[in-house]
Amino acid sequence: DGGITQSPKYLFRKEGQNVTLSCEQNLNHDAMYWYRQDPGQGLRLIYYSQIVNDFQKGDIAEGYSVSREKKESFPLTVTSAQKNPTAFYLCASSIDRVAKNEQFFGPGTRLTVL
Amino acid sequence: KNQVEQSPQSLIILEGKNCTLQCNYTVSPFSNLRWYKQDTGRGPVSLTIMTFSENTKSNGRYTATLDADTKQSSLHITASQLSDSASYICVVSEGGYNKLIFGAGTRLAVHP
Repeated sequence: DGGITQSPKYLFRKEGQNVTLSCEQNLNHDAMYWYRQDPGQGLRLIYYSQIVNDFQKGDIAEGYSVSREKKESFPLTVTSAQKNPTAFYLCASSIDRVAKNEQFFGPGTRLTVL
Repeated sequence: KNQVEQSPQSLIILEGKNCTLQCNYTVSPFSNLRWYKQDTGRGPVSLTIMTFSENTKSNGRYTATLDADTKQSSLHITASQLSDSASYICVVSEGGYNKLIFGAGTRLAVHP
């Protein structure tokens, strides 16, 4: 199966803990993205990566970190500095960052802070 | 400020009926407009992508229209099915790069 996988599907975190969300794609896409989705709001961009070993902050990067050591993988770490981390997190990928190219989304990870 | 606004926020229709969802945007520069379907607890799935020069595009029972002059788009669903129950998200791509501005979505419920 070709596509994007995210794990885990559900994640619970205690306040003060860092957690890492996994995102893997086998579409051979260069560009990958992390979004956050909150009820009643549009998706907001956290980080994106155009190529291996490169990534850029999106609109709401504070309290998050990423790495892009492999083309297939783009993990997101939610740090204790993120004040309101409870949300639905979506990973996406596209062939590159050219505007006409479609972004494909993973199934998402729901993070809840206890 | 670049924004995408959708209406209505939610909609209930009976199975077999048609419906139309609206999207207004103020994104500039405009690259393309997309409609996504998102089932509860899942990732969005693309329905259509339209560029500036395209007025309408269909995908099965889904038909999207674009009026670039008034910066409005609509998504028409024909002969609705229970499986159409989902959120429908209007997304505008800003500029030459794949930077997406998302609407908050319209939550559609199709009842038998």
